[in-house]
Amino acid sequence: DGGITQSPKYLFRKEGQNVTLSCEQNLNHDAMYWYRQDPGQGLRLIYYSQIVNDFQKGDIAEGYSVSREKKESFPLTVTSAQKNPTAFYLCASSILVSGANYGYTFGSGTRLTVV
Amino acid sequence: AQTVTQSQPEMSVQEAETVTLSCTYDTSESNYYLFWYKQPPSRQMILVIRQEAYKQQNATENRFSVNFQKAAKSFSLKISDSQLGDTAMYFCAFMKRNTGNQFYFGTGTSLTVIP
Repeated sequence: DGGITQSPKYLFRKEGQNVTLSCEQNLNHDAMYWYRQDPGQGLRLIYYSQIVNDFQKGDIAEGYSVSREKKESFPLTVTSAQKNPTAFYLCASSILVSGANYGYTFGSGTRLTVV
Repeated sequence: AQTVTQSQPEMSVQEAETVTLSCTYDTSESNYYLFWYKQPPSRQMILVIRQEAYKQQNATENRFSVNFQKAAKSFSLKISDSQLGDTAMYFCAFMKRNTGNQFYFGTGTSLTVIP
């Protein structure tokens, strides 16, 4: 079955450490996205990528980095510069078709906690 | 910038009854999409319904329907014959057409279906 796989489901990070969240899709979708979800704030866009080797900052990119070396993969690194990284992180993908959009397909998320 | 407002943080409904969730948005665009996503306790984001702004006819998916009022910039979700499995967070989302496909999400409405 096609879908998006995020791993790990739960992740614990010590202060000052970088951690990388994995996102893999086998839907052959062009675009991939990372969102952060905090209680009472909905989902906020961190980074997105429409094509391999290219990505754009979203609304809250500071303290995060991404890469898109393969169409299927879009890992997110939470760096030590991110001052409040404890949150739920969602990866999504979508087809890019001129003039049409059918919404995102989401992964099941990663819960990151700083200890 | 686009903003999406969900003014009802929490709602409840008796099983088999009908409930309406509100969503308003602010945009200067004329061409866009609107979505409702459901996030159950598993935290998996699931697409409920989608509306294209140029279509006047309200979208319907089984027990879910929308009331799209473009002039008022309103996009409410009606759930008929509510079921226990409808208990979830519901997010309204806006996307400009022919762009990088960035979604703008509301802060969500937590719906509880009471047996």
